[in-house]
Amino acid sequence: DIQMTQSPSSLSASVGDRVTITCRASQGIRSDLAWYQQKPGKAPNRLIYAASNLQSGVPSRFSGSGSGTEFTLTISSLQPEDFATYYCLHHYNYPWTFGQGTKVEI
Amino acid sequence: EVQLVESGGGLVPPGRSLRLSCAGSGITFDGYAMHWVRQAPGKGLEWVSGISWNSDSIGYADSVKGRFTISRDSAKNSLYLQMDNLRAEDTALYYCAKRGDTSLTNWGQGTLVTVSS
Repeated sequence: DIQMTQSPSSLSASVGDRVTITCRASQGIRSDLAWYQQKPGKAPNRLIYAASNLQSGVPSRFSGSGSGTEFTLTISSLQPEDFATYYCLHHYNYPWTFGQGTKVEI
Repeated sequence: EVQLVESGGGLVPPGRSLRLSCAGSGITFDGYAMHWVRQAPGKGLEWVSGISWNSDSIGYADSVKGRFTISRDSAKNSLYLQMDNLRAEDTALYYCAKRGDTSLTNWGQGTLVTVSS
């Protein structure tokens, strides 16, 4: 099974900061990775698909990069509504797995 | 508007069974793979199971393999999760989600399963 190691597990940041979250796969997964944002009490919302493609309607301050085993989600200028928990998800083969999550706090 | 609505959650003692359902409105399940994802209270997301559009390909997380069974009924535009031999660690909010172009694009609001005596 492929394991996804996400880091950091939490971070403190301020409005306007540049934030980077990393996911590492235990084996190559091509670009079969998505990033999700989840706010308390809500279902997850997809931000990035196929590692680097911005979901329609998602602000351009979000970007994704990487392929193979190393992936990054970047928020170029953190906004108040971005304080949430972020997850990566690989869908290369079964079983799919999420990263452990990164809580972005003030 | 695409809506997925889960049902069937509740309080159940360890060792018992429960069947979750997911109904779609504004969306046809035909042609799309469907998945279950769960989230234990205060914890992260855990992928549980997925089924291809024609039920040809099915996968399970190791934590539920042999106890949970995913299925779908195109005529009823519905997805199911039969959960047997439930354990305390299965306590979670269970989401159904539709696979779009690549990964999961649409999610329901979840149904809560609590396994406790």
